[in-house]
Amino acid sequence: ILNVEQSPQSLHVQEGDSTNFTCSFPSSNFYALHWYRWETAKSPEALFVMTLNGDEKKKGRISATLNTKEGYSYLYIKGSQPEDSATYLCAFCNTDKLIFGTGTRLQVFP
Amino acid sequence: NAGVMQNPRHLVRRRGQEARLRCSPMKGHSHVYWYRQLPEEGLKFMVYLQKENIIDESGMPKERFSAEFPKEGPSILRIQQVVRGDSAAYFCASSPRGPDSYGYTFGSGTRLTVV
Repeated sequence: ILNVEQSPQSLHVQEGDSTNFTCSFPSSNFYALHWYRWETAKSPEALFVMTLNGDEKKKGRISATLNTKEGYSYLYIKGSQPEDSATYLCAFCNTDKLIFGTGTRLQVFP
Repeated sequence: NAGVMQNPRHLVRRRGQEARLRCSPMKGHSHVYWYRQLPEEGLKFMVYLQKENIIDESGMPKERFSAEFPKEGPSILRIQQVVRGDSAAYFCASSPRGPDSYGYTFGSGTRLTVV
């Protein structure tokens, strides 16, 4: 059984704080690692698709790193804003499909 | 481009009835995936389809559940003789290529309630 673990399960931060979450995945048979942002009452939205060990991706204040040898990825948010409040999902590509973690629920207070 | 369209948004069925959930992928997307989210749980893979073919159905329950993606029309997830435990949100996603290189576009989901 393939397990994708995310931590922490939830996080509450003040506006302006920087934060990061972790995604752990199997280090063998790696194809890709995805990050998604899921706002309440909406559908998950793709943030990054990462394929190479050492990959770093950035979109505005959000960035992600990838270590395929040890099986982890970090998502960073710099200067969190209330609109960043959402659940952040990572997903491990197992050959032909994505296996999702249960997500980190971020709440940013003004 | 309307994105991934799922309907209905909400579906209520009595125990023993059939539920049909529809998903129209984004234009140009030939890969369709169905996921289920049970209350307080994450997204669980059910089935992966390409036009007229089931590629991977390793997440589908062995009985009562079936899926298709015909040459014309939307993908359909069909649940026969629904039970209370089938109550969940069902999400469809599509992509133009496999997830080894391309992200999914998700629909808004169908919330199935079995009474």
